[in-house]
Amino acid sequence: GAGVSQSPSNKVTEKGKDVELRCDPISGHTALYWYRQSLGQGLEFLIYFQGNSAPDKSGLPSDRFSAERTGGSVSTLTIQRTQQEDSAVYLCASSFDAYEQYFGPGTRLTVT
Amino acid sequence: DQQVKQNSPSLSVQEGRISILNCDYTNSMFDYFLWYKKYPAEGPTFLISISSIKDKNEDGRFTVFLNKSAKHLSLHIVPSQPGDSAVYFCAASLDNMLTFGGGTRLMVKP
Repeated sequence: GAGVSQSPSNKVTEKGKDVELRCDPISGHTALYWYRQSLGQGLEFLIYFQGNSAPDKSGLPSDRFSAERTGGSVSTLTIQRTQQEDSAVYLCASSFDAYEQYFGPGTRLTVT
Repeated sequence: DQQVKQNSPSLSVQEGRISILNCDYTNSMFDYFLWYKKYPAEGPTFLISISSIKDKNEDGRFTVFLNKSAKHLSLHIVPSQPGDSAVYFCAASLDNMLTFGGGTRLMVKP
């Protein structure tokens, strides 16, 4: 079966531009997570969607970051007015239970 | 304040020997612990997990040990193989959320 997919795999953007990153979770997984990994750093939690509940946005680093999940499936992470410190690998994960999360390959974002 | 820490950023081991990766946590409420393995340009993949009510879980060459009193867990890989070379993340679970450590890069030399 298909795993978690993310697009694009790489994105280079100019500082100040907006970007949208997409995540297609595993079918049937009710939970969806966004993380980012900056160079040499661990995984930083950004946002969590569980079913139809209001998302947990506690990890979003600023109000330039937002995410939505349409129809309980596909999710889009939007970064407005990108800054160089936004450069990182953005990882999406989905899960069926409370524990094991399945990760996508990530989107490498470079802000020039 | 990091709730999950991997104090060794890297580890180098000879092929065939044991690799021991360590992880410390501060929140005693974590109820489940996981190890993920990450190759370059790929997302992390689940490796092995352990419930907080256990102290050991074994799966082939991989064993995870949990010491709740010390708030410490470790991943043992034996025998280590060159294909095990990757970054290993420990993660702790509470309320459907995973908190990750910073990762340890394991290099297994042939």
